[in-house]
Amino acid sequence: DAGITQSPRHKVTETGTPVTLRCHQTENHRYMYWYRQDPGHGLRLIHYSYGVKDTDKGEVSDGYSVSRSKTEDFLLTLESATSSQTSVYFCAISEGAVQETQYFGPGTRLLVL
Amino acid sequence: DQQVKQNSPSLSVQEGRISILNCDYTNSMFDYFLWYKKYPAEGPTFLISISSIKDKNEDGRFTVFLNKSAKHLSLHIVPSQPGDSAVYFCAARSGGSNYKLTFGKGTLLTVNP
Repeated sequence: DAGITQSPRHKVTETGTPVTLRCHQTENHRYMYWYRQDPGHGLRLIHYSYGVKDTDKGEVSDGYSVSRSKTEDFLLTLESATSSQTSVYFCAISEGAVQETQYFGPGTRLLVL
Repeated sequence: DQQVKQNSPSLSVQEGRISILNCDYTNSMFDYFLWYKKYPAEGPTFLISISSIKDKNEDGRFTVFLNKSAKHLSLHIVPSQPGDSAVYFCAARSGGSNYKLTFGKGTLLTVNP
């Protein structure tokens, strides 16, 4: 299994509070991604990174920001959590070569009350 | 606009029989396709992939078929086992897209003993 950890694994928070999720990898892969999984929607890309300090938006980026100051860490921040951001969040990594596979972390279950 | 479609939310098969999971796509720029399997409370795990230059790829009990003219791919599992019961996601990547994947909504496969 790819060395990917996510923290926390579970979190309950209140509407309006900031939340930061962390993804840590030990594979030294260049690309990192944040997805959310919701019933009826599959996996949707929030943001991704193609190198240290290099990030870009995915299809559902509103309300989220990211930062990557080191190769191994990719942070996802909900500046002011809303109930619509209740979801399961997955981090993924890839080397980024042609025909490269993305490998996923175990997920963070977030409940916004 | 959903570019990757898995039209069957669920599929139930008997142990030992063949499972066929289907996926349709609309974007002709997709050049690489993947299948992921996901158990509850775990991250998706990579199963098998296929490049657009091929029409078939096998790995043990798993075979993926690609029909480019129909923009259709399928995953065959033979023989199906109870441990194969999971949600299966089809994903596609567009060439030159910074390796972003577009996922379908998933199909829940149940293999009955």
